[in-house]
Amino acid sequence: KQEVTQIPAALSVPEGENLVLNCSFTDSAIYNLQWFRQDPGKGLTSLLLIQSSQREQTSGRLNASLDKSSGRSTLYIAASQPGDSATYLCAVVNSGYALNFGKGTSLLVTP
Amino acid sequence: DTAVSQTPKYLVTQMGNDKSIKCEQNLGHDTMYWYKQDSKKFLKIMFSYNNKELIINETVPNRFSPKSPDKAHLNLHINSLELGDSAVYFCASSPGLVLDTQYFGPGTRLTVL
Repeated sequence: KQEVTQIPAALSVPEGENLVLNCSFTDSAIYNLQWFRQDPGKGLTSLLLIQSSQREQTSGRLNASLDKSSGRSTLYIAASQPGDSATYLCAVVNSGYALNFGKGTSLLVTP
Repeated sequence: DTAVSQTPKYLVTQMGNDKSIKCEQNLGHDTMYWYKQDSKKFLKIMFSYNNKELIINETVPNRFSPKSPDKAHLNLHINSLELGDSAVYFCASSPGLVLDTQYFGPGTRLTVL
């Protein structure tokens, strides 16, 4: 059974810092990995999708990497802003088609 | 022009009642999902339909029954509601299976009293 772990559970940084969120998964036979953002009381917004054959994806200040063999992914956020404050969720798709989520990293960027 | 919409946004009801949550997507996607986010914020898949056919049915009490009248809709009916059913329920859709980004609705917060 796939288990997805995210470290740290919570993170507080001053504005302008670069930061890294970590995600690990136990079953490396994934089809893809997806990073989401969830704001309090809101739904999920997809940030980046990395297919199993890819090593990384970039969107603006976000860069996600995937090392499938070691069961790890990182989300790099450059020059963090207060508007980046949210919970970041990592999820993988195995043969069951559905997303298996981690418990998220709660990020607070202080002005 | 909302991509994935859910109604209602909030639902407060008594134990033992039967309730439904509706989901619609206007993206032309073939696959739709229901996820449950518990009080600890952990998201877990409940069901998935592809072209109106059930393809995922996780270990969910049979009080929960999904219904897909067409590709654009996946409704969730819950019988005999229990306190433990209180959670946020998210609907999602994707173009196909496996390789595609999933798009989420805003969620329905269900509170069972």
